Amino acid sequence: AQSVTQLGSHVSVSEGALVLLRCNYSSSVPPYLFWYVQYPNQGLQLLLKYTSAATLVKGINGFEAEFKKSETSFHLTKPSAHMSDAAEYFCAVSEEGGSYIPTFGRGTSLIVHP
Amino acid sequence: NAGVTQTPKFQVLKTGQSMTLQCAQDMNHEYMSWYRQDPGMGLRLIHYSVGAGITDQGEVPNGYNVSRSTTEDFPLRLLSAAPSQTSVYFCASSPPRGSGGSDTQYFGPGTRLTVL
Repeated sequence: AQSVTQLGSHVSVSEGALVLLRCNYSSSVPPYLFWYVQYPNQGLQLLLKYTSAATLVKGINGFEAEFKKSETSFHLTKPSAHMSDAAEYFCAVSEEGGSYIPTFGRGTSLIVHP
Repeated sequence: NAGVTQTPKFQVLKTGQSMTLQCAQDMNHEYMSWYRQDPGMGLRLIHYSVGAGITDQGEVPNGYNVSRSTTEDFPLRLLSAAPSQTSVYFCASSPPRGSGGSDTQYFGPGTRLTVL
């Protein structure tokens, strides 16, 4: 069965600082991995996804994530935070060959201080 | 394309009332899902459908019914609303595997429901 754990329900950074949001997954087969972003009072939108191609995935708004099979991790990073990055971020996993329905983590709220 | 649309945006119900949350998509996606979002709980799957006429239960199906008579529409019915159903509800759609979508979910803007 697939599952995902996001470490830290809130992450606070200063504008211009590195953003690191952590995600660890559990899957018995090769996974598909996703990061979604939710801005206040909006639905979720895809930030980036890993589907067994390159392990370093680049997404929108300068975000990227690296798939590390040995660590079962898919952490999200951005070199320099911007005020507009303040949002809720969700990691999700689905399994190649399994149900198409992804399992979502509990979310991490990114707070950006000026 | 409008993408995934949901109505209403906000709704207040009294305990015991019934209502239907509407969801429609114009992307010809086969797969559609309903989630509820509660603080600290992330998104939990209520029901999903892999095509017209086919539905299945997710993680938290109790108190909710769905049907899928067309590819475009996937309404969620609350049979007898309870305060525990106060939540934000999201509908999502996804293209089938093999079409290049790789399980990417396209979300609607959500319906904020309060049950008194």
